[in-house]
Amino acid sequence: DTGVSQDPRHKITKRGQNVTFRCDPISEHNRLYWYRQTLGQGPEFLTYFQNEAQLEKSRLLSDRFSAERPKGSFSTLEIQRTEQGDSAMYLCASSFSGGGSYEQYFGPGTRLTVT
Amino acid sequence: KNQVEQSPQSLIILEGKNCTLQCNYTVSPFSNLRWYKQDTGRGPVSLTIMTFSENTKSNGRYTATLDADTKQSSLHITASQLSDSASYICVVTDYSGGGADGLTFGKGTHLIIQP
Repeated sequence: DTGVSQDPRHKITKRGQNVTFRCDPISEHNRLYWYRQTLGQGPEFLTYFQNEAQLEKSRLLSDRFSAERPKGSFSTLEIQRTEQGDSAMYLCASSFSGGGSYEQYFGPGTRLTVT
Repeated sequence: KNQVEQSPQSLIILEGKNCTLQCNYTVSPFSNLRWYKQDTGRGPVSLTIMTFSENTKSNGRYTATLDADTKQSSLHITASQLSDSASYICVVTDYSGGGADGLTFGKGTHLIIQP
């Protein structure tokens, strides 16, 4: 296992289209997080899962956003009816809650451009 | 409200020179502080993690310090290399149990190393 992976790495879409991103966490990690990062800013929390349960959602996660982690392994983040303001880097991170440090390991991100 | 402030916002130095990045936080109760390096277009990668009782930690040419009394941390880079060009993000965790709300991200310092 080489770390957190995300697919695709880049996505260009037209306004109004739907997009879906995938995240594969480190295999033994039970927690999975989604963040959004715009240029010059730190990551902003969107949502997180413990196993298959979605435990927290940020106010940033509008009704157009939905995330799933159906089997407690990989996760998908879908954005419906994309808007230009959705253009950002979408980061996924995973952690193991049993170790105490809760250190999050980040994936390479998916860069979304909405035209 | 928990906050993490980083300075400077950006920094340009010549290859081989040293530099120090600053992080001030108001997170309470404090659990730990991490410095991440984020290359352009990539996800953040952890450099160091420090708990309340640690005041210095090194990782190669990177040395982080923590003053829990003044709630300040610094990241010192020695003998900079071109590959050090990146954003450096300070992240502070509180004792919320490791949920996503427990992490407060700074906006990062954008470091450019010039030959």
